[in-house]
Amino acid sequence: GENVEQHPSTLSVQEGDSAVIKCTYSDSASNYFPWYKQELGKGPQLIIDIRSNVGEKKDQRIAVTLNKTAKHFSLHITETQPEDSAVYFCAASTPFYGGSQGNLIFGKGTKLSVKP
Amino acid sequence: EAGVAQSPRYKIIEKRQSVAFWCNPISGHATLYWYQQILGQGPKLLIQFQNNGVVDDSQLPKDRFSAERLKGVDSTLKIQPAKLEDSAVYLCASSLIARVFPTDTQYFGPGTRLTVL
Repeated sequence: GENVEQHPSTLSVQEGDSAVIKCTYSDSASNYFPWYKQELGKGPQLIIDIRSNVGEKKDQRIAVTLNKTAKHFSLHITETQPEDSAVYFCAASTPFYGGSQGNLIFGKGTKLSVKP
Repeated sequence: EAGVAQSPRYKIIEKRQSVAFWCNPISGHATLYWYQQILGQGPKLLIQFQNNGVVDDSQLPKDRFSAERLKGVDSTLKIQPAKLEDSAVYLCASSLIARVFPTDTQYFGPGTRLTVL
């Protein structure tokens, strides 16, 4: 089955700097890669996702890149702000017709701290 | 649009007791998921419903966990009897439909934090 590795486990940056979180996946059939932000005491919130037919997607200060050949994808946050501090999870999913149920397999998370 | 609702938000029980969690998905979402999130880890799928039918329960410890989704809307997850290792946050998520290509977006509720003493 699918396995998702996420690095680093913790990341501390100064306000205004960029932050990069990387994930690798094992199943070449995976075709959907969402990123979730989880604040303390709350459920994960989708911040951006990418599907396997594109290599990059941007939404204001957040971007995700996907390298299908190398089976890795990354989250890039520019001009970080203190409110970006949270735990970020990457996930991967295979399509239902691929034999799985289209379920999300999550990485272990990255705790991002943005210092003012 | 209202999000995924869950209750209770917190629950403390002793081992061998039973507990139940409730979830109300986003209106119109056919697919409902229950995840277990142990401290310091990502969510792990327990069970997936499509309307009121089970799509995947391969990761559900069926000797103690059960779930149902009557009428294809609300869902309850039950643990009986609870063990110390069941201490975790139980998250409910819903999506419009999962059985299409590509996978549809999942929206999560706030979760129920369970502590088993």
